[in-house]
Amino acid sequence: DAGVIQSPRHEVTEMGQEVTLRCKPISGHNSLFWYRQTMMRGLELLIYFNNNVPIDDSGMPEDRFSAKMPNASFSTLKIQPSEPRDSAVYFCASSGTGDSNQPQHFGDGTRLSIL
Amino acid sequence: RKEVEQDPGPFNVPEGATVAFNCTYSNSASQSFFWYRQDCRKEPKLLMSVYSSGNEDGRFTAQLNRASQYISLLIRDSKLSDSATYLCAVSLRGNEKLTFGTGTRLTIIP
Repeated sequence: DAGVIQSPRHEVTEMGQEVTLRCKPISGHNSLFWYRQTMMRGLELLIYFNNNVPIDDSGMPEDRFSAKMPNASFSTLKIQPSEPRDSAVYFCASSGTGDSNQPQHFGDGTRLSIL
Repeated sequence: RKEVEQDPGPFNVPEGATVAFNCTYSNSASQSFFWYRQDCRKEPKLLMSVYSSGNEDGRFTAQLNRASQYISLLIRDSKLSDSATYLCAVSLRGNEKLTFGTGTRLTIIP
C-alpha cells in the first residue's frame, strides 16, 4: 500500500524565493498534518486539516507560510519569501477515521535548505 | 511547563539489556497516546499505540499512568537495531493534532 507521499525530497534554494512542498495523503485518510522538525525545536505541528478544511493553523510561524488542501488527495505548504531560518525537515502525515486511537503516518519528509 | 516532556538521553545500553523510557504530559484531558521511532535522517514511524490497560508487542511494552500523567516504554532483550530516537506523542482526541516530545535517543552497544 502506498504511504504518504511527499515531494520534493530535497530542496535547496536562495532566500527570497518561493518554496512549495507537496503531499499526497494515504487514500481514505481524512486528516492531514504538516510538521516541521529542527534540532533546536524538535517536531512541531504547523497546521492540520480535517476533510480538507484547515482546523488549527496556530503553529504556522508567520504570514510567509500558507497551506492549502484543494481535495482529499493533495495538499501544499508554501513559503514566500523563504528565509534561512526556514531550513528544516518538513513532514506531512495523515490519519484515518475510526476509533479515537488513530495514529498518524508520516511521509519521508522534504529537507529544505535556504541559503 | 512543556506539554510533553521526555528525557533526551542519550541512553547507551548494552545489547540484551532492558531499557525503559518515560514521557510526561501536562493536559489531564489527553486521550490518545503513542510511541514513535525515528531513525537518523528518516521519518517518525509508529512503534505502538498506548492503551489504558497497557499493551505489549513482542519485546516492547507500553504503559499509561493517568494519575501521574505519564506513559512509559519498556524494551526487553535490546537489539542493535533498536538504536534510534523514541518519540512519545499525545493528543486530546483521535484525528486531532499530536504533540510530540523532543525524543529520547537510544544507542545499543554491542
